[in-house]
Amino acid sequence: ENVLTQSPAIMSASPGEKVTMTCRASSSVSSSYLHWYQQKSGASPKLWIYSTSNLASGVPARFSGSGSGTSYSLTISSVEAEDAATYYCQQYSGYPLTFGAGTKLELK
Amino acid sequence: EVKLVESGGGLVQPGGSLRLSCATSGFTFTDYYMSWVRQPPGKALEWLGFIRNKANGYTTEYSASVKGRFTISRDNSQSILYLQMNTLRAEDSATYYCARETTGFDYWGQGTTLTVSS
Repeated sequence: ENVLTQSPAIMSASPGEKVTMTCRASSSVSSSYLHWYQQKSGASPKLWIYSTSNLASGVPARFSGSGSGTSYSLTISSVEAEDAATYYCQQYSGYPLTFGAGTKLELK
Repeated sequence: EVKLVESGGGLVQPGGSLRLSCATSGFTFTDYYMSWVRQPPGKALEWLGFIRNKANGYTTEYSASVKGRFTISRDNSQSILYLQMNTLRAEDSATYYCARETTGFDYWGQGTTLTVSS
């Protein structure tokens, strides 16, 4: 099983701040099969970034994704209040498909 | 408009069974892999399994945690996805989501909640 480790587990940021969260895989993942989801409290997850760096429909351009192999990241260039949520990475490079434990972004 | 609507959750005793449904609309159901994902309260997402599309023979894959207890099926005539859950345990208590899989899970239902308790 390809275990995804997300860090930090919780992060706090002020509006306007740049933030980066990471996702590390126990085995290499093809960049085509590493995705990120945003989940707000009480809501279903939403596909946020697919195939490492492609923004899903409606995702603001302040979000970006990068990485390769076993190390991936999601960056917000200038955090806004609406970005407060938990972000999960997910891989599909083999079975089972796995999710990371999530990074919860809180706004100060 | 793509829609996925889960139903069938509820309270079940340990050892019991339940079938969840996911009614879909707005897309050609047979073209897509469909997955079930669950989330225990306050915890992370867990992929349970998927059923492939028509082109790939509607075959299935499961996570080890549910293989042999859970079965995913689909009614292609009605565009409904199912999750049959047997021998339920307390640790199966969660919100269960169905999700359409393309490049990532691009559409999700609202979820249905299962509680396994005596």
